[in-house]
Amino acid sequence: GESVGLHLPTLSVQEGDNSIINCAYSNSASDYFIWYKQESGKGPQFIIDIRSNMDKRQGQRVTVLLNKTVKHLSLQIAATQPGDSAVYFCAETPGYALNFGKGTSLLVTP
Amino acid sequence: DAGVIQSPRHEVTEMGQEVTLRCKPISGHDYLFWYRQTMMRGLELLIYFNNNVPIDDSGMPEDRFSAKMPNASFSTLKIQPSEPRDSAVYFCASRPGTSGTGELFFGEGSRLTVL
Repeated sequence: GESVGLHLPTLSVQEGDNSIINCAYSNSASDYFIWYKQESGKGPQFIIDIRSNMDKRQGQRVTVLLNKTVKHLSLQIAATQPGDSAVYFCAETPGYALNFGKGTSLLVTP
Repeated sequence: DAGVIQSPRHEVTEMGQEVTLRCKPISGHDYLFWYRQTMMRGLELLIYFNNNVPIDDSGMPEDRFSAKMPNASFSTLKIQPSEPRDSAVYFCASRPGTSGTGELFFGEGSRLTVL
């Protein structure tokens, strides 16, 4: 069946470096793609989304890129900080519910 | 706004016992979702409601699981009887009916351990 998956389960970066988290999706019918951040012991928190008719969207320190040709989504975090350490999920919106990928753990080292 | 409120935050029970998880969505949100999170399977949708009516329960594992939404401000997820493989974090989420992005607002989760 269709699914959302992540290329890298763990990512370790140094503080101040840029981070890139990747995601592959298979459901082309999704209107939006969304990135969530989940800190230990907490629920997922919305970071940024991108509409399916866009290929790039920027937020504060974060940029999401969408490549519909290869069904690929990425989250770029600029100047990664210790507070960015968390698990990041991509999600697609085939309907009213979200279909989540399995997540990438980002570890920021000093 | 207080956000989505879930209780209990932690529950430890023995196999065979009934478990009831509770959720209060954000006021005014028309959609309520129950997700389960495990290391092996990630975040899985169990069921969701629109205006208190169950719309899709295809993710509910089996008949031991049931969910209700008696009114717009309260929902329960019940497991009876519970089994060790039900151990997971259960999240409730809600969203407005006319959200432009599909963003879901999550609670802090209920961590269930079945011994």
